[in-house]
Amino acid sequence: KQEVTQIPAALSVPEGENLVLNCSFTDSAIYNLQWFRQDPGKGLTSLLLIQSSQREQTSGRLNASLDKSSGRSTLYIAASQPGDSATYLCAVSPHNNDMRFGAGTRLTVKP
Amino acid sequence: SAVISQKPSRDICQRGTSLTIQCQVDSQVTMMFWYRQQPGQSLTLIATANQGSEATYESGFVIDKFPISRPNLTFSTLTVSNMSPEDSSIYLCSVRAPSEKLFFGSGTQLSVL
Repeated sequence: KQEVTQIPAALSVPEGENLVLNCSFTDSAIYNLQWFRQDPGKGLTSLLLIQSSQREQTSGRLNASLDKSSGRSTLYIAASQPGDSATYLCAVSPHNNDMRFGAGTRLTVKP
Repeated sequence: SAVISQKPSRDICQRGTSLTIQCQVDSQVTMMFWYRQQPGQSLTLIATANQGSEATYESGFVIDKFPISRPNLTFSTLTVSNMSPEDSSIYLCSVRAPSEKLFFGSGTQLSVL
């Protein structure tokens, strides 16, 4: 059974710092991996999707990498802003169907 | 992308009652997914709803407790039946777009007294 782990569980940084969020998964036979952002009490917003054949995806200040063989993905956030404060969730799709989620990293960016 | 309208956004319910959550998608999709997010935890898949067939439930979830309807390719409902305080959670519907990204409704925050 696919298990997804995110480290750290919480992270607090000053505004302007670059930071990395980590995601690991136990079964490397994945279809794709997706990073989401969740604001308190709200639904999820898709940030980046990486197909199993890809190594990374970029959108603005965000860059996500995937190393399938080692079961790892990272989300890099450049020049963090207070508006980036949210919980970031990593999810892997074992096939073209549902996704398995990590517990998330709660990020606080202090002004 | 896909835009999903989910309602209600929140509700406070009495023990033993039922609540039906609705999700409307702005495009036709084959599969819709229903997730639960218990306080302070990540998402757990409840079931996958296909149009024209019975929903497929994950281990630990049963149809009598969480009946699902999928009358067409743009709409689905999830009912939380005979509620207890342990059912207090955020419930989310989602769909997979042709881009393969997963999109979510805004969630229903349920509190059971």
